[in-house]
Amino acid sequence: NAGVTQTPKFQVLKTGQSMTLQCAQDMNHNSMYWYRQDPGMGLRLIYYSASEGTTDKGEVPNGYNVSRLNKREFSLRLESAAPSQTSVYFCASSVGSGNYEQYFGPGTRLTVT
Amino acid sequence: GDSVTQMEGPVTLSEEAFLTINCTYTATGYPSLFWYVQYPGEGLQLLLKATKADDKGSNKGFEATYRKETTSFHLEKGSVQVSDSAVYFCAYMDSNYQLIWGAGTKLIIKP
Repeated sequence: NAGVTQTPKFQVLKTGQSMTLQCAQDMNHNSMYWYRQDPGMGLRLIYYSASEGTTDKGEVPNGYNVSRLNKREFSLRLESAAPSQTSVYFCASSVGSGNYEQYFGPGTRLTVT
Repeated sequence: GDSVTQMEGPVTLSEEAFLTINCTYTATGYPSLFWYVQYPGEGLQLLLKATKADDKGSNKGFEATYRKETTSFHLEKGSVQVSDSAVYFCAYMDSNYQLIWGAGTKLIIKP
């Protein structure tokens, strides 16, 4: 039981390049989330998926797109990376979108130069 | 607007010292409150939670009490260990079931 896995762990991009961050969970959770973590700030929600087949914007969605590929997988895409997107990205999942504990992956550290 | 305020870190303590990390929130109603912990190189994990006023959450020797009068949820531990060194995040769940996070407090415990 791996929980929430993310790939890659580290990535360096040049401005304007694109990439997809992958996330998968094996807990049969319905809801999945993408956050970014910046120094001195709390986690900020980028997008979430309350259930398979649905996605919704969070607090900071600009410059990102997501795909809920199936119940297990939820990917985050940067179409044209910018230095402001340098951050640590966390994927999380929960049983549902209500008052449930969120389980986090180990994170992806992304640097955009 | 809705927000969570935590004491700034890093907080540096000696082993076996008493720990308090302050957390206050601004929200409507009485949201569920959480403390998450992030150990070095890992993702966040739930440490404890409280879902209604006066509830006390506890886990691994840590405690926090939901104080609606002061809108606070301070984290305490009576005797910290080196293994408690981590970043601690306070959060609450808003009416849309989204977590609102504090900035995190880095805790360093020296042997």
